[in-house]
Amino acid sequence: AQSVTQLGSHVSVSEGALVLLRCNYSSSVPPYLFWYVQYPNQGLQLLLKYTSAATLVKGINGFEAEFKKSETSFHLTKPSAHMSDAAEYFCAVSQNTGNQFYFGTGTSLTVIP
Amino acid sequence: SAVISQKPSRDICQRGTSLTIQCQVDSQVTMMFWYRQQPGQSLTLIATANQGSEATYESGFVIDKFPISRPNLTFSTLTVSNMSPEDSSIYLCSAFVSGTVTYEQYFGPGTRLTVT
Repeated sequence: AQSVTQLGSHVSVSEGALVLLRCNYSSSVPPYLFWYVQYPNQGLQLLLKYTSAATLVKGINGFEAEFKKSETSFHLTKPSAHMSDAAEYFCAVSQNTGNQFYFGTGTSLTVIP
Repeated sequence: SAVISQKPSRDICQRGTSLTIQCQVDSQVTMMFWYRQQPGQSLTLIATANQGSEATYESGFVIDKFPISRPNLTFSTLTVSNMSPEDSSIYLCSAFVSGTVTYEQYFGPGTRLTVT
């Protein structure tokens, strides 16, 4: 069975501060992990993905995430928050066959000027 | 990658009526999906729509309420039938695209439905 837990439904950071969005997964097989971003009134956009290559994955807009098997985590980070980063972020896991995606409940990021 | 468009982008409908949402992909894809995203919540998978077969519905969703068509490898429709205010939601279609290692899922911009 696959599942994803996102700790913190709302995160607020100051502009220029570190962004840390948490994601823990449960998977009976080696997982593929994804982060998506949803800007207001838009669909989901793929930020980055982990597919069993490098454990530190770099994505678009300066975001990166590190796969830690021992912690079953795939936290999303960005060194310096920008106002344009304010959005909803979803973590997702799939089996290596890619047949089904399981989404977390989402984390709403607010950036304070 | 894939570019997915949806029509309409939003609509306001009367209860008891039906709305058909269209989803167009700019490339041929085998697997397409329909999701519902209720206000402030995550995505809930409604059904999987594969070309050439009946749609597969998730628990809590039935064909009579959400009929789906998949006439070819680039297009799908979802109909929300006999609508009630509880159907007010964002409806998203998505498609699996083969990446370098695994499938990647791409989403349309969503259809924002309000039922009055």
